[in-house]
Amino acid sequence: EAGVTQFPSHSVIEKGQTVTLRCDPISGHDNLYWYRRVMGKEIKFLLHFVKESKQDESGMPNNRFLAERTGGTYSTLKVQPAELEDSGVYFCASSRRVNSVYEQYFGPGTRLTVT
Amino acid sequence: QQQVKQSPQSLIVQKGGISIINCAYENTAFDYFPWYQQFPGKGPALLIAIRPDVSEKKEGRFTISFNKSAKQFSLHIMDSQPGDSATYFCAATLLLVNTDKLIFGTGTRLQVFP
Repeated sequence: EAGVTQFPSHSVIEKGQTVTLRCDPISGHDNLYWYRRVMGKEIKFLLHFVKESKQDESGMPNNRFLAERTGGTYSTLKVQPAELEDSGVYFCASSRRVNSVYEQYFGPGTRLTVT
Repeated sequence: QQQVKQSPQSLIVQKGGISIINCAYENTAFDYFPWYQQFPGKGPALLIAIRPDVSEKKEGRFTISFNKSAKQFSLHIMDSQPGDSATYFCAATLLLVNTDKLIFGTGTRLQVFP
């Protein structure tokens, strides 16, 4: 089966611009997560979708970040306007339940650089 | 406040040696502790995981040791190989229904030299 895919792999934008990241989860996975890793730090949770509904968005840094999941399939994460501290690698993961555990499969990430 | 602390930040091991990475957690409610392996340009991939009702889990050359009273767990890689060179992340989560976000450590960059 195809893995989690993310687009673009890299994005370089100027402060104040808008960027939209896309994630395509593994087919049939109802759960979709966004995480971010700022250089040298831990991978931090941003939010969790179950199908098209936001289950947990406690990790979203502020209202400049907007996540959507159209029809419970792919998801987008928009940053508007981007700030320097938004730079990092954004990972998407999807999961299904296996023996009472939701095993999360990660995409390769989108490296965002804000200059 | 960092809920999962990981050490060391980097580790250099000779081929055939044992690699040990340690993690400590704060929240005693965590009930699932996975380790992820990440190669350059790839996303993290689940390597091995443990629940707090067991003290050790072994899969091939990889072993998790878990100490519930000390709130610590560690990854041991036996007979380390150059192909094991990667960044390793410990994590913890609560297996609540539909609320299982992963709390990660800061990562350990492992280099295994021939």
